[in-house]
Amino acid sequence: DIQMTQSPSSVSASVGDRVTITCRASQGINNWLAWYQQKPGRAPKLLIYAASSLHSGVPSRFRGSGSDTHFTLTISSLQPEDFATYYCQQANNFPLTFGGGTKVEI
Amino acid sequence: EVQLLESGGGLVQPGGSLSLSCAASEFTFRTYSMTWVRRAPGKGLEWVSSINPNGAYTYYADSVKGRFTISRDDSKNTLHLQMNSLRAEDTALYYCVSVVPVPGWYFDYWGQGTLVTVSS
Repeated sequence: DIQMTQSPSSVSASVGDRVTITCRASQGINNWLAWYQQKPGRAPKLLIYAASSLHSGVPSRFRGSGSDTHFTLTISSLQPEDFATYYCQQANNFPLTFGGGTKVEI
Repeated sequence: EVQLLESGGGLVQPGGSLSLSCAASEFTFRTYSMTWVRRAPGKGLEWVSSINPNGAYTYYADSVKGRFTISRDDSKNTLHLQMNSLRAEDTALYYCVSVVPVPGWYFDYWGQGTLVTVSS
């Protein structure tokens, strides 16, 4: 199975900050990677797929990059609605696997 | 707007069974791969099972293989998850999810989830 490791597990930031979250795969996954945002009591929301493709309706301040085993999600200017938990997911090898999550806190 | 509405969750004793359903509307259900994802209390997201558009291919997490069965009824726009031999560690909020119609298994539309609690 492919293990997905996110870091940090939590980050404290302020509105307007640039935030970067890292996701590492235990083996190469090309660009088969997604990023999701989940707020308390809500279902996850797809932000990025294929490592860097912005899903429909997602603000451009979210940017995904990387390939093979190292990926990043960058929020260029943190907004109040961005405080949430973020997950990466490898999307090509079964079993599909998620990272452990990164909580972005005020 | 795409809607996915899960039902069938509840409290069940260890070793028991439960059947989850997901009613889909406002999209061409039959052309989409579908998936179940769960989130246990205080834990992260865990992929459970996926099915391709015609139901010919199904995939399972090792933790549920042999106990859970995913299926679909395209005539009723409904996804199912039959869960047998339930364990305490199956306690979670179960989400029905549609797969983005591009190469890869990316999850775009999510239901609000149905809660399964396995406890005596």
